[in-house]
Amino acid sequence: EVQLVESGGGLVQPGGSLRLSCAASGFTFSFYWMSWVRQAPGKGLQWVANIKQDGSEKYYVDSVKGRFTISRDNAKNSLYLQMNSLRAEDTAVYYCARDRGGQDTAMVWGYDYWGQGTLVTVSS
Amino acid sequence: DIQMTQSPSSLSASVGDRVTITCQASQDIANYLNWYQQKPGKAPKLLISDASNLETGVPSRFSGSGSGTDFTFTISGLQPEDVATYYCQQYINVITFGQGTRLEIK
Repeated sequence: EVQLVESGGGLVQPGGSLRLSCAASGFTFSFYWMSWVRQAPGKGLQWVANIKQDGSEKYYVDSVKGRFTISRDNAKNSLYLQMNSLRAEDTAVYYCARDRGGQDTAMVWGYDYWGQGTLVTVSS
Repeated sequence: DIQMTQSPSSLSASVGDRVTITCQASQDIANYLNWYQQKPGKAPKLLISDASNLETGVPSRFSGSGSGTDFTFTISGLQPEDVATYYCQQYINVITFGQGTRLEIK
């Protein structure tokens, strides 16, 4: 059974940092593009970042470029999101999501499995 | 980035009704479109991929169609458990989602 379990969310002051983690199980983690998608309270879904199977390519939404860093450790079946210089508008539930494209895909095709999400609140 | 415009933003329908949601892309995305269902407090669930491909285990009352810039998502015979927010999402380049359609039962 595919499982994605996020952790690391919480309350942080503006300008602060947080590191989110996503523990994957039930599939060959190194075969898949992985992404972070967020949802502000009462709002819609927004793609945040994605990372290629081997970590060689990383992409970000413009609003987080230079502040967030996506990474992965295939040996630990884990995905990470380092978030620095946090702003109030970064407040959201952050989901870890697996791309449905599978092994050797060169692009992201959308998400067939999602974690339960972890809430990040940026407030003083 | 490609903008995805869903309509309506919300709707109310009766059990058994046929429900249709549309999604329009700001440029041609061929069939690079997915539809998701999100129930309150839960993560989204992929229902339809590549504009019209029903995911395994998804009831056949759900369907999708379209290509290019105009897409349609249909529920044929609304059930109480279909209360949710539905999102379209394009993946021809930087992933973007529609703003969502909240579906309620009358």
